[in-house]
Amino acid sequence: GQQLNQSPQSMFIQEGEDVSMNCTSSSIFNTWLWYKQEPGEGPVLLIALYKAGELTSNGRLTAQFGITRKDSFLNISASIPSDVGIYFCAAPTTSGTYKYIFGTGTRLKVLA
Amino acid sequence: DSGVTQTPKHLITATGQRVTLRCSPRSGDLSVYWYQQSLDQGLQFLIQYYNGEERAKGNILERFSAQQFPDLHSELNLSSLELGDSALYFCASGGGTYNEQFFGPGTRLTVL
Repeated sequence: GQQLNQSPQSMFIQEGEDVSMNCTSSSIFNTWLWYKQEPGEGPVLLIALYKAGELTSNGRLTAQFGITRKDSFLNISASIPSDVGIYFCAAPTTSGTYKYIFGTGTRLKVLA
Repeated sequence: DSGVTQTPKHLITATGQRVTLRCSPRSGDLSVYWYQQSLDQGLQFLIQYYNGEERAKGNILERFSAQQFPDLHSELNLSSLELGDSALYFCASGGGTYNEQFFGPGTRLTVL
């Protein structure tokens, strides 16, 4: 079945550093979503991407829809302590039911 | 605040019991999705309803069922509960042009 693989699984970084994470699949998708989840809370939508090659920013966050449509990337610049959380990518299955699959998540910890 | 509400926030019950989780979608959204998230795990899609009708099914156990009412709120019923059913249960709603999903704060279910 369709699967989204995220890497890295976890990362510890110093405050102020830039962060890069990615999401890959063997399947082609028409939409990529990036979510952030903090402990005990629901995922919050950060960025949505709808076209191959699209680059979209939301404050210090920038995400790209890969040209092959099989991957997506999320970058966080100048990280701060409140960036801590789990970042998930998600994509709708191509069956037309709007059923989304989620990646395994990248757990980010920021050291002050 | 995503605009999606879920009740209750926490639920503690015993094995063999039945519980009902409730979700109210964002105003105007016709789709409701249910997800299960076990400790340190990703989001597992359970089921989707669109305007009162079941639209897509994921890995939902036969002991679990859901429905969406005419006012678009949804309920997830979990019966014959087992210890392994302890998890966070999230509801999401969607319905925009690209059907992005917006998550509620979740219900934490603990089965003792």
